[in-house]
Amino acid sequence: SQQGEEDPQALSIQEGENATMNCSYKTSINNLQWYRQNSGRGLVHLILIRSNEREKHSGRLRVTLDTSKKSSSLLITASRAADTASYFCATDDDTPLVFGKGTRLSVIA
Amino acid sequence: DTAVSQTPKYLVTQMGNDKSIKCEQNLGHDTMYWYKQDSKKFLKIMFSYNNKELIINETVPNRFSPKSPDKAHLNLHINSLELGDSAVYFCASSQGDSGYTDTQYFGPGTRLTVL
Repeated sequence: SQQGEEDPQALSIQEGENATMNCSYKTSINNLQWYRQNSGRGLVHLILIRSNEREKHSGRLRVTLDTSKKSSSLLITASRAADTASYFCATDDDTPLVFGKGTRLSVIA
Repeated sequence: DTAVSQTPKYLVTQMGNDKSIKCEQNLGHDTMYWYKQDSKKFLKIMFSYNNKELIINETVPNRFSPKSPDKAHLNLHINSLELGDSAVYFCASSQGDSGYTDTQYFGPGTRLTVL
């Protein structure tokens, strides 16, 4: 089964800056999802983008999907200390969701 | 109200013991899952149940046995625990009958430590 790979593995920024995380995958997909995991907590669903969509917004989140490059990016604008967490992308291609190892985002106040 | 809950949150036990982790969802979802997150943060699906029936069983040792008494509950029983079973186990649920393209709602996780 394929696996979403997030990049970078870790990212540290100042509060107010934008954070961009990338995800690459290997085969065709039905959709791609982004999740957040706060330390010691469960995963929280952020946004789902379907394979026929190119961009999607939700509050301060912007997700893009490029199926030709098999990649997606998650942009968090005007970051806050509360955004500190690990972010995972998850892909499906008629198999169960497969998660990457995540990007650890640290937002410094 | 908690949508997906798991108990216990922490579980510390000796090798060779048998333990269970319970999961309940109050979302009315048809599909429930168990995931294992290892120390490297990689999340891997173990099982998926739809309306109390097993629909996914990834390559998991048969020491792991899921039990679904009703569609709101999916418990995970582990026999003869090994050191390599130490991980965080997440329960999740989704609305659809396949679950593959549905948003999954995750529980808070159970951190299992085998000594």
